[in-house]
Amino acid sequence: DAKTTQPPSMDCAEGRAANLPCNHSTISGNEYVYWYRQIHSQGPQYIIHGLKNNETNEMASLIITEDRKSSTLILPHATLRDTAVYYCIVRVATGDYKLSFGAGTTVTVRA
Amino acid sequence: AAGVIQSPRHLIKEKRETATLKCYPIPRHDTVYWYQQGPGQDPQFLISFYEKMQSDKGSIPDRFSAQQFSDYHSELNMSSLELGDSALYFCASSPRTASGNTIYFGEGSWLTVV
Repeated sequence: DAKTTQPPSMDCAEGRAANLPCNHSTISGNEYVYWYRQIHSQGPQYIIHGLKNNETNEMASLIITEDRKSSTLILPHATLRDTAVYYCIVRVATGDYKLSFGAGTTVTVRA
Repeated sequence: AAGVIQSPRHLIKEKRETATLKCYPIPRHDTVYWYQQGPGQDPQFLISFYEKMQSDKGSIPDRFSAQQFSDYHSELNMSSLELGDSALYFCASSPRTASGNTIYFGEGSWLTVV
């Protein structure tokens, strides 16, 4: 699996958008970008994934650069419940390929 | 929607004892993954199964074994427990489809070895 690089931590004001960057310069053509988050001691929660087009769902938006070497997860209106560790992971999206967790970004949403 | 079910949620064992964790995947998911997360660490992949066969193996100790049964549930067996085995153990599942197979996690089983 390709490696990703994320900032270790970031703060965000409640109600504002949170933009979480991720670098994945060695991503392969068949690898997707996945985002998960883990609220303290809970199971990792799937957020969103994409290949090359921007994606949006009820939780977040994913912006992938044209060269696919980096991406940004956007939480449009952060709430206190969004405080968590966010993981950016690249993975082949077919078959039974595992997720390999690296060091994510600890996001703290402040009132 | 149905989620990944893990049991027990909490388990306390003594050193050198044996523990078994169970995982029931989301219906129609045929792939199961096991992860271990120690205190202050990120989840580490242990092992995975597809259609009852081991499909990938990570940093799983030789004292640990796992299997997937005909109903797709999986069990992680841990023997000769050590203090360092105290961790949160996650099971996850995914469908094996050509159009993408998002992995979903259970809430985990806390193992404390004393």
